[in-house]
Amino acid sequence: DTVLTQSPALAVSPGERVTISCRASESVSTLMHWYQQKPGQQPTLLIYLASNLESGVPARFSGSGSGTDFTLTIDPVEADDTATYYCQQSWNDPPTFGAGTKLELK
Amino acid sequence: QVQLQQSGAELAKPGSSVKISCKASGYTFTSYYISWIKQTTGQGLEYIGYINTGSGGTNYNEKFKGKATLTVDKSSSTAFMQLSSLTPDDSAVYYCAKAVLYGYNPSFAYWGQGTLVTVSS
Repeated sequence: DTVLTQSPALAVSPGERVTISCRASESVSTLMHWYQQKPGQQPTLLIYLASNLESGVPARFSGSGSGTDFTLTIDPVEADDTATYYCQQSWNDPPTFGAGTKLELK
Repeated sequence: QVQLQQSGAELAKPGSSVKISCKASGYTFTSYYISWIKQTTGQGLEYIGYINTGSGGTNYNEKFKGKATLTVDKSSSTAFMQLSSLTPDDSAVYYCAKAVLYGYNPSFAYWGQGTLVTVSS
């Protein structure tokens, strides 16, 4: 299975720019998607196909990358962005998720 | 608005089965597949499989073949997942999700609220 590696945690101050990385063990083309999960809630889709903003998601969120290296950027970060962020690939079978990056605000 | 309403928490004994439901509303049910995802603290998020809500065709992660069975009732816009031969390792939160296929595999456009399954004697 394709392994997606994410940094475990980040801490930033409101108003800053943060980048969350996801590295795949093999190419996933641009079939990478990003989700936000707040404590006690289900995940929600933020970005699909590496760089497409899901409807209703603030433009502060953006995604980039292709092949094996992908980035989710939040600029500027707001207090409400405290959550765990997951990447997920759908190029290789089975679809797999990263372990998540927990974003904390200082 | 899109809603996926899952059935309530389950407490099951080892060796038994449970069947979780996922009722969809706010969109054309048969226009999107339904996927199922398992979440645990230890293993994170794991893809179980998807069901074609129009045809009933299914696709499973090899890891969950024989463990999960996906079905659908178009008349009530409800998808089901049965988990069989339960062990403590099956204890998890299970999500259904409205799936969009890019190529052969899905991304998960909208998730249900989750169903907690606890397996204990």
